[in-house]
Amino acid sequence: QQQVKQSPQSLIVQKGGISIINCAYENTAFDYFPWYQQFPGKGPALLIAIRPDVSEKKEGRFTISFNKSAKQFSLHIMDSQPGDSATYFCAARNDYKLSFGAGTTVTVRA
Amino acid sequence: NAGVTQTPKFQVLKTGQSMTLQCAQDMNHEYMSWYRQDPGMGLRLIHYSVGAGITDQGEVPNGYNVSRSTTEDFPLRLLSAAPSQTSVYFCASTMDRNTEAFFGQGTRLTVV
Repeated sequence: QQQVKQSPQSLIVQKGGISIINCAYENTAFDYFPWYQQFPGKGPALLIAIRPDVSEKKEGRFTISFNKSAKQFSLHIMDSQPGDSATYFCAARNDYKLSFGAGTTVTVRA
Repeated sequence: NAGVTQTPKFQVLKTGQSMTLQCAQDMNHEYMSWYRQDPGMGLRLIHYSVGAGITDQGEVPNGYNVSRSTTEDFPLRLLSAAPSQTSVYFCASTMDRNTEAFFGQGTRLTVV
């Protein structure tokens, strides 16, 4: 049973549009919430991360929104570009161990 | 600057064969882990190690063994391969519990 639930499974967005991916968790012991980006044939790479004492973090076109009371967090990709086409995983960490969501495949149409 | 190196990149095994997936990191990280990635399931933790000589089971450890004799290396052994172990395997390392995990490029394993 996955400890982190991620949706949607896939999404298609036009160039310049906004992509939104949502995740939810139950385990309150999680203390670090990273997002990973993965291109075909490659390993996941850290995109952006947030700690539960912060409600929002922005890095360039990527923003994490975090709702501790609802145990939900989301990734917003602004001004989506074709190079953003990839699979995105949310994750949550307890001690050293990462629990991953199922992944969202994002396709950006030019 | 190699980071996390996994070998081989691809492997086909017959049911019942054994093999070792290699993982090495050159960042002097204490924590290393193995994940498997299956469609629609994300990455699931198989085994992890918090330092040389210390290993523990993750979420899906059955059918896999690990050992950690050095800080740099963390091999994953399949003792008797089964078709259910067909997957993409990723090794990761972390300096400590407050820093990011770095992943290798993966090993795509097919068991026939």
